[in-house]
Amino acid sequence: AQTVTQSQPEMSVQEAETVTLSCTYDTSESNYYLFWYKQPPSRQMILVIRQEAYKQQNATENRFSVNFQKAAKSFSLKISDSQLGDTAMYFCAFIPGNTGKLIFGQGTTLQVKP
Amino acid sequence: DTEVTQTPKHLVMGMTNKKSLKCEQHMGHRAMYWYKQKAKKPPELMFVYSYEKLSINESVPSRFSPECPNSSLLNLHLHALQPEDSALYLCASSQVLTGRTYEQYFGPGTRLTVT
Repeated sequence: AQTVTQSQPEMSVQEAETVTLSCTYDTSESNYYLFWYKQPPSRQMILVIRQEAYKQQNATENRFSVNFQKAAKSFSLKISDSQLGDTAMYFCAFIPGNTGKLIFGQGTTLQVKP
Repeated sequence: DTEVTQTPKHLVMGMTNKKSLKCEQHMGHRAMYWYKQKAKKPPELMFVYSYEKLSINESVPSRFSPECPNSSLLNLHLHALQPEDSALYLCASSQVLTGRTYEQYFGPGTRLTVT
């Protein structure tokens, strides 16, 4: 079965601090692609960061970075210097192989407090 | 430009109505997707079109009928919906190349209410 687990339904962080969102996944595929999407209250789904499983180097996009542990099937998201605009629901997701099917976790609601 | 547009933004319809949702992308993507999302839940895949052909139908009820008139447009025709079909309907698109699956870009969604 292809599944994604986000074990933290809700999290909060103070503005300017760092927070890490956890994600584990399960797949028998050797090739797959991992993503973090952000969905703010407007409900626009925004791609935050992507990681290809065959690449060992962790992806980074400005204040967002991932810790990809392939053997452990773990894909956590670190947000540095948190900003109020980071308040959103964050979904971890992956596409197994070349199926084109994006499989989502249940999401983590992150609140950034002033 | 990574924009996917959807119209209308909001739609209220009765159970006997027929309406359509529209999605458009100008990124040259050849795969387009429809998702249904309930509040505080992840999106659920409904349909996938690849090169204007339906490639995935996730056992969606026939009251939802997708259509892909060309590579830039995707429609979702609605008929005889039920109140439980009220949700946010998201459209997405992505590149498609042999041996490679690309990230999906989402539109802002249509908030559908069935009365």
